[in-house]
Amino acid sequence: SAVISQKPSRDICQRGTSLTIQCQVDSQVTMMFWYRQQPGQSLTLIATANQGSEATYESGFVIDKFPISRPNLTFSTLTVSNMSPEDSSIYLCSVRGGQSYGYTFGSGTRLTVV
Amino acid sequence: SQQGEEDPQALSIQEGENATMNCSYKTSINNLQWYRQNSGRGLVHLILIRSNEREKHSGRLRVTLDTSKKSSSLLITASRAADTASYFCATDSAGGGNKLTFGTGTQLKVEL
Repeated sequence: SAVISQKPSRDICQRGTSLTIQCQVDSQVTMMFWYRQQPGQSLTLIATANQGSEATYESGFVIDKFPISRPNLTFSTLTVSNMSPEDSSIYLCSVRGGQSYGYTFGSGTRLTVV
Repeated sequence: SQQGEEDPQALSIQEGENATMNCSYKTSINNLQWYRQNSGRGLVHLILIRSNEREKHSGRLRVTLDTSKKSSSLLITASRAADTASYFCATDSAGGGNKLTFGTGTQLKVEL
């Protein structure tokens, strides 16, 4: 299965600033998925990133707040813009591992906004 | 919205005992998957069961799927302290565009 390197692993940011999270996959993948996990909660899908096209956002998430780049088949970034304390969460990227292998996740970025 | 509901929300057992977690979902699925998450870190895929399968085993893990009841269970046998983690079910829904929908999760604590 794929291996994902996600950076940074954690950050503490001032409100009003932006943070860009990177995910590098060791193989080419068509779709990459970005999730948010709020404290003590389950995972919620933010958007699906396809190479060569705009990301598809889930209800409640907008491009201005969470812009995504997908410049090639092995890399993607998620930016959390104009942050507020409510954005404090773990952000995870994921790729599909094949029909029988489930999904592979990055190690997550723990974001705290102060 | 979250499709899966898991119970219990939290489970505390002694090492060596079995742990059972349940997951219910709402729509038709291609498959259902179970994941483990240690201390808010990345998720680790444990096992995948297809909609036409009823039971699957992997080491100390046993997963059942009842599509008529839209439910699944994960059994961890002979638990160890290292099994302490949060466990999530996730459904890959028919027509869902390869997106996973996660359940609410069960926090398992295995005590020595």
